[in-house]
Formats: sequence, structure tokens, C-alpha cells
Amino acid sequence: GESVGLHLPTLSVQEGDNSIINCAYSNSASDYFIWYKQESGKGPQFIIDIRSNMDKRQGQRVTVLLNKTVKHLSLQIAATQPGDSAVYFCAENILPYQKVTFGTGTKLQVIP
Amino acid sequence: DSGVTQTPKHLITATGQRVTLRCSPRSGDLSVYWYQQSLDQGLQFLIQYYNGEERAKGNILERFSAQQFPDLHSELNLSSLELGDSALYFCASSARTGGNTEAFFGQGTRLTVV
Repeated sequence: GESVGLHLPTLSVQEGDNSIINCAYSNSASDYFIWYKQESGKGPQFIIDIRSNMDKRQGQRVTVLLNKTVKHLSLQIAATQPGDSAVYFCAENILPYQKVTFGTGTKLQVIP
Repeated sequence: DSGVTQTPKHLITATGQRVTLRCSPRSGDLSVYWYQQSLDQGLQFLIQYYNGEERAKGNILERFSAQQFPDLHSELNLSSLELGDSALYFCASSARTGGNTEAFFGQGTRLTVV
């Protein structure tokens, strides 16, 4: 079946460096992608989204890149801070349905 | 605070029992979603309701059922519980179904089946 997977389960980054979290998806019909951040003991929190008619979207310190050709998604966090330590999930959706499929998640550890 | 409230926060019960998890969406949100997150696993979509009607179904077991009430709160009923049902259960809400709308998650209910 369709799945969204992540290349790395854990990523360690030095504080101040940029972080890149990758995600592969397999459903070519997916047209909406979301990144969520989940801190320990909390529910997932929306970070940024992107539609399939775009290949890049920027937010505050975060950028999402979408490569539909190879079905790859990445989240870039600039100047990573200790508060960025969390598990990051990519998720895909097929509009107009709201049946979001989440990947396993990548744990980002920021080294002070 | 996401505005989504889930109760209880923790629940411990025995195998074979039945439990009900409750979710109050953000004020004005019509869509409610339920997810299951097992230890070190991703979020598994269970089911979605929109304004009282079921809109999408994921990998929800037949032992599980949900409903959304006229006041838009939702309940997830888990019956004949098994050890493998131990997980975090999240509820999320969004303003409408479809479209690229952001979903807001509650803090989750941690269910432990012993």
C-alpha cells in the first residue's frame, strides 16, 4: 500500500547549523504535504505545508522542498536551536480528502 | 495550547475491556480526526468526521468505533481491548474537510492495556 517513509530515524545537529530532514513518499497521487513537529509528551504541531503545484515554500526559519519527479520531500531548518529538538513527521494527503498519511518520523537532536 | 481537548490524559485498563476517549475540537472546527500512535511509530489515521458525518476511514479495527455529536465533540470507543492496543490516541480538528487546511492536535490520551 501507499506509504510515507523517512530516510533517517535520528539526526544530530550542532546548534546554529542548518538541519535537513528528508522524506520519501510513494503515492504519486498525493498532492498536499505537511510537516509536523512533535515534542515529547505533546501532540504534533503544524510547521509548514506545500501543495504539489509548488516545489518550494518558505516559512520562518523553515523551508520545504518538493521534488515530485523522485517523490521526495525535505524540511530545512535554518540556524537550528535547542528548541527545535523534537520528532518531525512528514505527511501526505490527497485532496479534497483529509486522510492524512504520516511517516515514521525523524528525531532531531540539537547539540548545544 | 492547540485548543483541542482530549480526556482522559491517561487510561489504564485490562484486556477485554471497553473504553471511551473523548475529544473536544477547537471552537468552530467542523472536522475531527482520530489517530493512533504506537511506541516509536508514526501516526496512523483511524477515522475522520465532518459535522457529524463520517468522511474518511483509515486503518481502524472493527473493535473500534467513533462518532461525532451535534455539539461537534467526538468519542472514540475501543472494545475487546488487547495488549497491542496500548498507544497514544490523538484527536485533531480542522475548520473544514478537504482543502489544504491545517489540523490542530490535542495532547493525546495514553492508553495502557494490561
